[in-house]
Amino acid sequence: GDSVTQMEGPVTLSEEAFLTINCTYTATGYPSLFWYVQYPGEGLQLLLKATKADDKGSNKGFEATYRKETTSFHLEKGSVQVSDSAVYFCALSDTGNQFYFGTGTSLTVIP
Amino acid sequence: EAGVAQSPRYKIIEKRQSVAFWCNPISGHATLYWYQQILGQGPKLLIQFQNNGVVDDSQLPKDRFSAERLKGVDSTLKIQPAKLEDSAVYLCASSPQGARNTIYFGEGSWLTVV
Repeated sequence: GDSVTQMEGPVTLSEEAFLTINCTYTATGYPSLFWYVQYPGEGLQLLLKATKADDKGSNKGFEATYRKETTSFHLEKGSVQVSDSAVYFCALSDTGNQFYFGTGTSLTVIP
Repeated sequence: EAGVAQSPRYKIIEKRQSVAFWCNPISGHATLYWYQQILGQGPKLLIQFQNNGVVDDSQLPKDRFSAERLKGVDSTLKIQPAKLEDSAVYLCASSPQGARNTIYFGEGSWLTVV
């Protein structure tokens, strides 16, 4: 079945460091791919998405490219801020609108 | 546009008691989901509705959990009787009609069973 595997955390970075959180997926069809972010005490919020191969999703300085050849959707940001500290979830959605989430990667950015 | 509304935000109950959570999805969204998120883990789908019909409830512990979506709008998730391992955040989400659409989450209902 469809699934998502993402890099385990926790990840701790200094402010202005480069961030990569790896995500790979397994799907039988052509899913849409998402990154969601969860701040402490809150629900999940959509960060970015890509709906087809080679699409790049971007938002708030974060980017991820839908790579069909490597079945990956890695999240990157060139310069993280303390306010980026949160848990990041990779997810995919199939034709049945069923969503599959990764286990989450906790990011802490220290000043 | 109003987001997904959930209540209550926080609930503490004793084991073997019952609890109910309510969710009102974004207006016009046909699909409604209930997820369970245990601390430190990703969301686990409990049940997915399309309008007022069930699409997937394969991971819903039906001996103690039940959910309904009357009239295809808001939904209630009930746990009876609760166990200690039910302590989690219960997330409601909704998405528009159609495949591979974005899913929008509410802020969650935090349950502690003591």
